[in-house]
Amino acid sequence: KNQVEQSPQSLIILEGKNCTLQCNYTVSPFSNLRWYKQDTGRGPVSLTIMTFSENTKSNGRYTATLDADTKQSSLHITASQLSDSASYICVVSALTGGGNKLTFGTGTQLKVEL
Amino acid sequence: KAGVTQTPRYLIKTRGQQVTLSCSPISGHRSVSWYQQTPGQGLQFLFEYFSETQRNKGNFPGRFSGRQFSNSRSEMNVSTLELGDSALYLCASTNPGAASEQYFGPGTRLTVT
Repeated sequence: KNQVEQSPQSLIILEGKNCTLQCNYTVSPFSNLRWYKQDTGRGPVSLTIMTFSENTKSNGRYTATLDADTKQSSLHITASQLSDSASYICVVSALTGGGNKLTFGTGTQLKVEL
Repeated sequence: KAGVTQTPRYLIKTRGQQVTLSCSPISGHRSVSWYQQTPGQGLQFLFEYFSETQRNKGNFPGRFSGRQFSNSRSEMNVSTLELGDSALYLCASTNPGAASEQYFGPGTRLTVT
């Protein structure tokens, strides 16, 4: 069964600090892995998409890594800001005959405080 | 380019009623997916439409149905509403590229009383 597990479930950090969110998956056949940021009451917004051959991808202060061998990904946030407070969702895509089939993690709730 | 739009943004219904939600994808996107999001459950996949045909379906009862029109706009219908149907319903449109990146709309917040 395809699964995506994220940790920690929630996290509180001080503004300016760095943090790393984890995503472990058992999805096959693997197509790509995405990280989304979802502000409360809004739709998720894509941060990064990585295919099998990509180890690292950055989007501003967000850097995602992918280890396809161990089936792990991380999202590193540098110099956190209050606006980073949101839910971060890891989504893994499997390529099937019917197109890409997505498996969603339940997200890490990040709160950045002063 | 305009983003994904969903209407209405908020809706209150009573048990037993039915509801129709609408989604307009980004221009040029032919695939539209629907998700239900509840606290603690994360996003649950409902179904995906591509060129007016349902391509994938999640594990939801038959009360949940959808359709897609020739202009790629999609509607989702829930009949005989239950309290547990209260959720944020998200629509996402997919670009035709290899990575199939999804772009989400703002969602419709449905409250069933």
